[in-house]
Amino acid sequence: DTGVSQDPRHKITKRGQNVTFRCDPISEHNRLYWYRQTLGQGPEFLTYFQNEAQLEKSRLLSDRFSAERPKGSFSTLEIQRTEQGDSAMYLCASSPRGRSTGELFFGEGSRLTVL
Amino acid sequence: GNSVTQMEGPVTLSEEAFLTINCTYTATGYPSLFWYVQYPGEGLQLLLKATKADDKGSNKGFEATYRKETTSFHLEKGSVQVSDSAVYFCALRGSNAGGTSYGKLTFGQGTILTVHP
Repeated sequence: DTGVSQDPRHKITKRGQNVTFRCDPISEHNRLYWYRQTLGQGPEFLTYFQNEAQLEKSRLLSDRFSAERPKGSFSTLEIQRTEQGDSAMYLCASSPRGRSTGELFFGEGSRLTVL
Repeated sequence: GNSVTQMEGPVTLSEEAFLTINCTYTATGYPSLFWYVQYPGEGLQLLLKATKADDKGSNKGFEATYRKETTSFHLEKGSVQVSDSAVYFCALRGSNAGGTSYGKLTFGQGTILTVHP
């Protein structure tokens, strides 16, 4: 399968702990996006990369959140000192290089539960 | 900034009924418009798209027409099936007149569709 993969699929942690999610995009895609989705809401944009450059960050991405894509391939999203409000599904998506109509290819998400 | 508003849900229909899910948007420039679907236990996947005014996107019996004058992109299907039960998201991606797209998608809040036999 050559789709977007995310790991872990589920994470339960205690408040105050750090968590890290990994995303492997479709191999020929140079753009990678992180979104957050809470129950009953649509995905909210967090940040996106073109190759290894982080081009945009939402104000939702507080100082406790950091995302990296060091070699322009996989990406990690780290949440430090987790809070109960961080409980959500974290979605990763990728899209191909060049001029495109904007379709994003999503992974199945990483669900975070903060106790 | 860009925003998308979907009709309040959830929507419950009987099989073979007609479906409309309303979507309106606010955007600068020349956005592309999308409908994504999320089936139970699966990731978001593209259902259809339209990249310029008056374009009609279609797929799996679903259709939506990009109406710039009413800033709308309503999703329709003439006869729904039980297998269409899912959450539907309207989304847009901004771009300029030259077609250069601006990265992210902005999503609506989603509409839950349940189809009964």
